[in-house]
Amino acid sequence: AQSVSQHNHHVILSEAASLELGCNYSYGGTVNLFWYVQYPGQHLQLLLKYFSGDPLVKGIKGFEAEFIKSKFSFNLRKPSVQWSDTAEYFCAVNPLRGQNFVFGPGTRLSVLP
Amino acid sequence: DSGVTQTPKHLITATGQRVTLRCSPRSGDLSVYWYQQSLDQGLQFLIQYYNGEERAKGNILERFSAQQFPDLHSELNLSSLELGDSALYFCASSVGDQPYEQYFGPGTRLTVT
Repeated sequence: AQSVSQHNHHVILSEAASLELGCNYSYGGTVNLFWYVQYPGQHLQLLLKYFSGDPLVKGIKGFEAEFIKSKFSFNLRKPSVQWSDTAEYFCAVNPLRGQNFVFGPGTRLSVLP
Repeated sequence: DSGVTQTPKHLITATGQRVTLRCSPRSGDLSVYWYQQSLDQGLQFLIQYYNGEERAKGNILERFSAQQFPDLHSELNLSSLELGDSALYFCASSVGDQPYEQYFGPGTRLTVT
């Protein structure tokens, strides 16, 4: 069965630190890849998505992600985090030939002011 | 605000009971997706409806069922409730039948006592 793993359960950073959240998936075919963010008490919002083309994808709020096909990875990055980035981040995979949308377990990011 | 509405916000009920959760998609969206978010299982895809028809099924229990009405709102019915059904239930919507860009609602928190 397809699965999505996220490397860290909880990441704590100081403001202005750089961020990288790991995401790996286990699916051999072509996939669409997503990162969602869930701010405290709010609904999930789409940060960025990758369908095809340039493997470096830019999203909202200064986030970007890089798709590395050989590593089945789609890591999320931000050069300088802010306190307002404190949230839970979910990586998700959608196989092109299927409808199931599989989410990773999430990574909680705490940014200290 | 994503444009997706869910009612009720909170629901407390007893084991063995049946509840109905309601979701109204964004204007113009034809697909509705249901997800369950719990501490131990994470965010799990339950079921998708597209223009009134079931399109995809995920990890949905037999005790759970859903439907989408002609006005495109959807209801998730949970019956014979167990303590383990306590979770946050999200609905999301998208324009087409592919979950390329889903917009999530605020969720319904279900507590089974």
